[in-house]
Amino acid sequence: NAGVTQTPKFQVLKTGQSMTLQCAQDMNHNSMYWYRQDPGMGLRLIYYSASEGTTDKGEVPNGYNVSRLNKREFSLRLESAAPSQTSVYFCASKSLGSGSHNEQFFGPGTRLTVL
Amino acid sequence: SQQGEEDPQALSIQEGENATMNCSYKTSINNLQWYRQNSGRGLVHLILIRSNEREKHSGRLRVTLDTSKKSSSLLITASRAADTASYFCATDEPGNNRKLIWGLGTSLAVNP
Repeated sequence: NAGVTQTPKFQVLKTGQSMTLQCAQDMNHNSMYWYRQDPGMGLRLIYYSASEGTTDKGEVPNGYNVSRLNKREFSLRLESAAPSQTSVYFCASKSLGSGSHNEQFFGPGTRLTVL
Repeated sequence: SQQGEEDPQALSIQEGENATMNCSYKTSINNLQWYRQNSGRGLVHLILIRSNEREKHSGRLRVTLDTSKKSSSLLITASRAADTASYFCATDEPGNNRKLIWGLGTSLAVNP
C-alpha cells in the first residue's frame, strides 16, 4: 500500500497563477484533510472532508478551494496564488472510527513557493 | 486556533539521555496523540492516549496524561540520533473527532 500520496512534491508559481495539488489515499479512509505548515505556526487546517461528498472549512480556508473527487482523492486548488500562500502543504486521511482509530496518516508534502 | 502548546520549543540532548516534552491544552478532550516529523517529511503517528488513561507505553516511548492539569508529557528513553525530529501533540476537538487541534511542536536534536 502506498498510503497517502501527494503530487507535485515541489512547485514554484508566480503571483496570480493557479494550480491544483493532488492527494490520494489507498487505505479506504473516509476523512481527508489539507493542512499548511509554516515556520513557528505548526499545522493549520485549510479544509477537510469528513466523508465522500462533503467538505468543510478549516482554520485558514481563504484563497483555497477543494474537491473530494471520490473516496480516494481530495484536491486543493489555488485560484490566484499569492506570496502568503508560500508554504508546505500536507494531505492526511483518517478512518471513520473514534477512539483508537483516530490517528491521521500523512502524505510527504508539497513545497510551494509563490514569487 | 492552536489548542496544544508544547514545551520546550527546542531541546538538545546527547545520545543515550532521556528526552521529555510537554503539551498543554485548553479544553476537554477525548484523546491526545503524539506525532513525529522528520525534517522535510510528513508527520507520523506515535501514540494515542485516551482521556480515561493516565499512562501508556510503546517501546521507548512513555506518555502520561493529566486531565486535571490539561497536560501531557512524552518521554523518549535512551535517545538515539535517529530520534532527531519535531514532535507534535494533537487533541481531538470536543464533540468532533473528525478534526485535530495541533500544538506548535518541540524540535528535538539528539547529538551523537
